[in-house]
Amino acid sequence: QVPLVQSGPEVTKPGASVKISCKASGYHFNAYYIHWVRQAPGQGLEWIGWINPNNGGTNLAQKFQGRVTMTRDMSISTTYMELTRLTSDDTAVYYCAKGGAVVRECIVLWGQGALVTVSS
Amino acid sequence: EIVLTQSPGTLSLSPGERATLSCRASQSINNNYLAWFQQKPGQPPRLLMYGASTRASGIPDRFSGSGSGTDFTLAISGLEPEDFAVYYCHQYGSSPQTFGQGTKVEIK
Repeated sequence: QVPLVQSGPEVTKPGASVKISCKASGYHFNAYYIHWVRQAPGQGLEWIGWINPNNGGTNLAQKFQGRVTMTRDMSISTTYMELTRLTSDDTAVYYCAKGGAVVRECIVLWGQGALVTVSS
Repeated sequence: EIVLTQSPGTLSLSPGERATLSCRASQSINNNYLAWFQQKPGQPPRLLMYGASTRASGIPDRFSGSGSGTDFTLAISGLEPEDFAVYYCHQYGSSPQTFGQGTKVEIK
């Protein structure tokens, strides 16, 4: 069982939105934070934020506030990240990652990533 | 925001040699909440170290982490062929969490 399985690649246009899913299995979904991190082609890692699946609380990097929404569906152990008003700079692999049971625990496991391509 | 600066950008070494990677923070990291990840092409990162010096489950003991405050080091004693990859440091003690820009360890 793969602990975190993400949705498939997306190709979308500037100005549009994209919603990526991350399905957890093999552990208590609501007990561990889920982080979202992205990686532009050939670049490093950029932290987007986290969601607490237990209560839906989120914490986003300021850069993404107003453009990113993180939600979860506890009935299917799935978290979602929606990014709006896309530009070509948003082209990246988006990872979900399992964090700890409390905020100040690090990421321990990553999903396989979902490539989002923004192109006109 | 805590900026993490990794050095060197690229490390060219031969198998069996020792690698020393540096991660310097722009301000002190709370409780040494500093992790190291390894990433190979086409793969997600893998956790190596957390709390600056604690190896994650399954990580061989040739990997070691040290440091505190603003200066941290990841050492790999005796590079194995599978260790050639990109390494990122990551601070999770303050929001926003941040990553270093990465150090590539390549075969000389």
